[in-house]
Amino acid sequence: KQEVTQIPAALSVPEGENLVLNCSFTDSAIYNLQWFRQDPGKGLTSLLLIQSSQREQTSGRLNASLDKSSGRSTLYIAASQPGDSATYLCAVRRPNQAGTALIFGKGTTLSVSS
Amino acid sequence: NAGVTQTPKFQVLKTGQSMTLQCAQDMNHNSMYWYRQDPGMGLRLIYYSASEGTTDKGEVPNGYNVSRLNKREFSLRLESAAPSQTSVYFCASSPRTSTTTNEKLFFGSGTQLSVL
Repeated sequence: KQEVTQIPAALSVPEGENLVLNCSFTDSAIYNLQWFRQDPGKGLTSLLLIQSSQREQTSGRLNASLDKSSGRSTLYIAASQPGDSATYLCAVRRPNQAGTALIFGKGTTLSVSS
Repeated sequence: NAGVTQTPKFQVLKTGQSMTLQCAQDMNHNSMYWYRQDPGMGLRLIYYSASEGTTDKGEVPNGYNVSRLNKREFSLRLESAAPSQTSVYFCASSPRTSTTTNEKLFFGSGTQLSVL
């Protein structure tokens, strides 16, 4: 059974700091891995998607890496800002018979102080 | 661009009552999903519809039914609500089915449901 773990559950940093969020998964048979952002009381917004054949994806100050063999992904946020405060979730997309669906981690809640 | 629209945003039910959560997407996506989000449990898949006319159970389907009314709409029904179904429910959609490796999920803003 695929399980996705995110450590730490919460993280507080001062503005301007570079930081790394971690995601690990137990089954390397994945189609892709996505990182999402969730603001309080809101839905999820997809930040980055890494296909199973890729090693990393970048968007602005965000960089996500994927190491399938070790079952790990990291989300690197450069020069953090208070507006980055949110919960970040990773999810792996697995194959199954009738379709595919995402398995989510429980998220890391990030707080960036000014 | 509306994206994925869920109604209602908030709902309070008494144990045993029934209700239907509505979801519609205007992106011409084939696949649609219902998730629930609980503190400490993360997001869990309830049901999904890989394409119009098909539905399949996810991780936690008990107590729920779904209908893929057409390509745009995917509803979730609670026939007899229980306090354990108190949660935030999210609908999502994605462009294509099965083996596409680079399709993203788009989420609605959620329905906060309380069952007393």
